[in-house]
Amino acid sequence: NAGVTQTPKFQVLKTGQSMTLQCAQDMNHEYMSWYRQDPGMGLRLIHYSVGAGITDQGEVPNGYNVSRSTTEDFPLRLLSAAPSQTSVYFCASSSEIIGRDTEAFFGQGTRLTVV
Amino acid sequence: DAKTTQPPSMDCAEGRAANLPCNHSTISGNEYVYWYRQIHSQGPQYIIHGLKNNETNEMASLIITEDRKSSTLILPHATLRDTAVYYCIVRVRDNYGQNFVFGPGTRLSVLP
Repeated sequence: NAGVTQTPKFQVLKTGQSMTLQCAQDMNHEYMSWYRQDPGMGLRLIHYSVGAGITDQGEVPNGYNVSRSTTEDFPLRLLSAAPSQTSVYFCASSSEIIGRDTEAFFGQGTRLTVV
Repeated sequence: DAKTTQPPSMDCAEGRAANLPCNHSTISGNEYVYWYRQIHSQGPQYIIHGLKNNETNEMASLIITEDRKSSTLILPHATLRDTAVYYCIVRVRDNYGQNFVFGPGTRLSVLP
């Protein structure tokens, strides 16, 4: 069981370039989300999805797009990279069961540097 | 939203119990307390969670006060591999759905 897989692990972009961070989970989880973590800080929510075809914004959505065409995949797109988007990005998934709370599984992160 | 307060850092001797406190005085009756940890910038790892009663699993114990305004995560026999940032999180159900709000956490250093 792979859990949550993120690719790439490392990426360097030039200002203005676009790219897609990939996230895939094999646990049939309905709920997936993207966080960013800046040095010395906790994680901040970018976007999330409660199921295929449904996405919504989190705390810091500007400059990022997401889509959820399948249950397994939740890619994060940087439209025009800026140095302020230099960060470590984490994808997470969990099962949405009404009336119960469940743990979230996190990927190992994508370390992005924008120069 | 219920917020949490944790000490920024703690030390613990290897083999001793590590007791990590967390205050969550504004917690609602149906909100759970979760603990995650992050080892050296890896993805956060689930440790334990609870609502009212004390909980124990293979990794740790969670002690929640009767008024639920604070809790303590206990690592019974800390090892060097337990050095990490520990996050106490109250589960928020709001516009962000099933999301976690991460604060700065407690940096635990297990010393040989």
